[in-house]
Amino acid sequence: AQKVTQAQTEISVVEKEDVTLDCVYETRDTTYYLFWYKQPPSGELVFLIRRNSFDEQNEISGRYSWNFQKSTSSFNFTITASQVVDSAVYFCALSESGNTGKLIFGQGTTLQVKP
Amino acid sequence: DAGVIQSPRHEVTEMGQEVTLRCKPISGHNSLFWYRQTMMRGLELLIYFNNNVPIDDSGMPEDRFSAKMPNASFSTLKIQPSEPRDSAVYFCASSSVTGTGYEQYFGPGTRLTVT
Repeated sequence: AQKVTQAQTEISVVEKEDVTLDCVYETRDTTYYLFWYKQPPSGELVFLIRRNSFDEQNEISGRYSWNFQKSTSSFNFTITASQVVDSAVYFCALSESGNTGKLIFGQGTTLQVKP
Repeated sequence: DAGVIQSPRHEVTEMGQEVTLRCKPISGHNSLFWYRQTMMRGLELLIYFNNNVPIDDSGMPEDRFSAKMPNASFSTLKIQPSEPRDSAVYFCASSSVTGTGYEQYFGPGTRLTVT
């Protein structure tokens, strides 16, 4: 069965610290996609990144970076020099088998960045 | 380009009343998803449509909930009769299943309060 696990329920850091959000997934598919979403206190869900299973190259976007490792079935998200505006709930997701478009979401990690 | 549009943004109603939530997906997207988010249960997929056809409604909590997608640009989620336990934020999301990707783009949500 497919599953996404975000073991960290809540993380609290002080501004300017680096923080890594963990995501572990389970799937038997050879082709799949992984995603990260951000939900700030305002409530909307914002798409951050998509990664396909054939591309293990790490991705960097400003202070955000993603480490995809098939060997450990992980897709971790690191925020460098965190800021208060990074405070949000972050969801990791996996595409469901078959051409359905359905995503399987993890339970989310609440990140609090204190000034 | 316009994102996913949901209305109303907030709805307060009394127990027993009918509630209708509306969604306009991103133009060209062929999949539409309805989610419910609560503190207790997190983000739950209620139902999703591909090309206007309901594919999986196993997440619909009970017969009081129904969803329709009469055309590619409009969907409704109806609760009749509403109960206090239906209070939640309801999100609509759309995606394009064709080609690569499957990322879903979320609307701003409808915050429903049933008193």
